[in-house]
Amino acid sequence: GAGVSQSPRYKVAKRGQDVALRCDPISGHVSLFWYQQALGQGPEFLTYFQNEAQLDKSGLPSDRFFAERPEGSVSTLKIQRTQQEDSAVYLCASSLKDDGEQYFGPGTRLTVT
Amino acid sequence: GESVGLHLPTLSVQEGDNSIINCAYSNSASDYFIWYKQESGKGPQFIIDIRSNMDKRQGQRVTVLLNKTVKHLSLQIAATQPGDSAVYFCAEAGGSQGNLIFGKGTKLSVKP
Repeated sequence: GAGVSQSPRYKVAKRGQDVALRCDPISGHVSLFWYQQALGQGPEFLTYFQNEAQLDKSGLPSDRFFAERPEGSVSTLKIQRTQQEDSAVYLCASSLKDDGEQYFGPGTRLTVT
Repeated sequence: GESVGLHLPTLSVQEGDNSIINCAYSNSASDYFIWYKQESGKGPQFIIDIRSNMDKRQGQRVTVLLNKTVKHLSLQIAATQPGDSAVYFCAEAGGSQGNLIFGKGTKLSVKP
C-alpha cells in the first residue's frame, strides 16, 4: 500500500479491558508518531519512534499506555485497563526523517463503554 | 504554556469565493508550520507547509502566510470548492524530533 494503514479502524472495549492498536507506516519511513485526537479537538502527541528506538514518550497520559516498534517498521499502541476517558481516535503518522512531512493513517476510533 | 490556537472555530463561504483561515501560535522557537485538512472519518492530510525563514509559500490554490512578528499563520484557499469542506488544523514543530502541536481546528463549510 502507498499510505499509512491502521487496524482495527474501530474498536469497542469494555472498561477495564486491554486493547492493542496497530500501525503500518510507509515502507522506509524512519520516524513514527502516535497522536490521540479527542472529539472536536486537534491531535495531541503521544510518543515518537526513530526506527525501533522510542525517543520520546512524554505525551503518554499514564503508565497504562505502552507503545513499541520492535523491528523499526510496524508499531503497536497498547492500552491496559481501558477507561472511558481513553475514548478517542488514535492516529499514527510516519515520516521519512525526523522533521519531514508526516503522513497520517486513517486512525483507530476507540470507544470504551 | 506553549500552544497553537485558531481565531475562528467555523467558517462558511460561498462556492467560488476565497477562504482565509487564521492561526495564532505562541512558541517563538517553532520553525516549521503545517496546515492539515481533515475530512470526517479520515486522518489529517497535508496541505502546505512553511519554514520560519519564509513569510509566504504558494501551492495549488493555497497560500500560507507567516507573520513571525505577531506569531500569526494563515491559510488562503482560492476559488473555494465544495470538496474543500473539512476541518483545517494548523500545526507547529519546534523540536528536533518533529512532533507536532496542533490547534483546535476550523471547520470550513462551502455553500454551493
